[in-house]
Amino acid sequence: QKEVEQDPGPLSVPEGAIVSLNCTYSNSAFQYFMWYRQYSRKGPELLMYTYSSGNKEDGRFTAQVDKSSKYISLFIRDSQPSDSATYLCAMSEGAGGTSYGKLTFGQGTILTVHP
Amino acid sequence: NAGVTQTPKFQVLKTGQSMTLQCAQDMNHEYMSWYRQDPGMGLRLIHYSVGAGITDQGEVPNGYNVSRSTTEDFPLRLLSAAPSQTSVYFCASSPRPNTEAFFGQGTRLTVV
Repeated sequence: QKEVEQDPGPLSVPEGAIVSLNCTYSNSAFQYFMWYRQYSRKGPELLMYTYSSGNKEDGRFTAQVDKSSKYISLFIRDSQPSDSATYLCAMSEGAGGTSYGKLTFGQGTILTVHP
Repeated sequence: NAGVTQTPKFQVLKTGQSMTLQCAQDMNHEYMSWYRQDPGMGLRLIHYSVGAGITDQGEVPNGYNVSRSTTEDFPLRLLSAAPSQTSVYFCASSPRPNTEAFFGQGTRLTVV
């Protein structure tokens, strides 16, 4: 079983829809949770960053972390065609962990928002 | 600032050939890493470095070597290329662990 599982999709939604992207993980030592967005033939770029549990909102994007369930989500409101990309969740352990600082990525979800 | 620069952008190798993928960053970041990205596999860590002179293995290190003689540069060497190393390679840097990682544009490598 992979440490981080992410539904690869692909996911296709109409413009304006609410998108939900999810990852589950098995390593209880993960403390830092990130979402990266990757456009075709480009490098990933950080979209959202969360430490420990809770919610974080940035414009149309909301990241949620539920450490008790080992589950993280990214919500995109009012999705736009420009949101079409691959979304990758990533996680890392805190100080003292055996893999401190190493990012573990999910498989990525391909999202297409059509006009 | 250029950020993280990777060269070359594309490369075709024959089985058994060796080559070095270059990575340079101009942000004075201590932490640098190399990933490979394959369809359905996400990004997998090959090697990483927490500073000049310090490197360690990631999840998939076999067949790759790294060194870090300066803060700016972190080259990845393929000693004897194999078709299984056909992939897209990304270099990333961050000021310290568990902070935002800045990625290069990637190197698309095909081994025939």
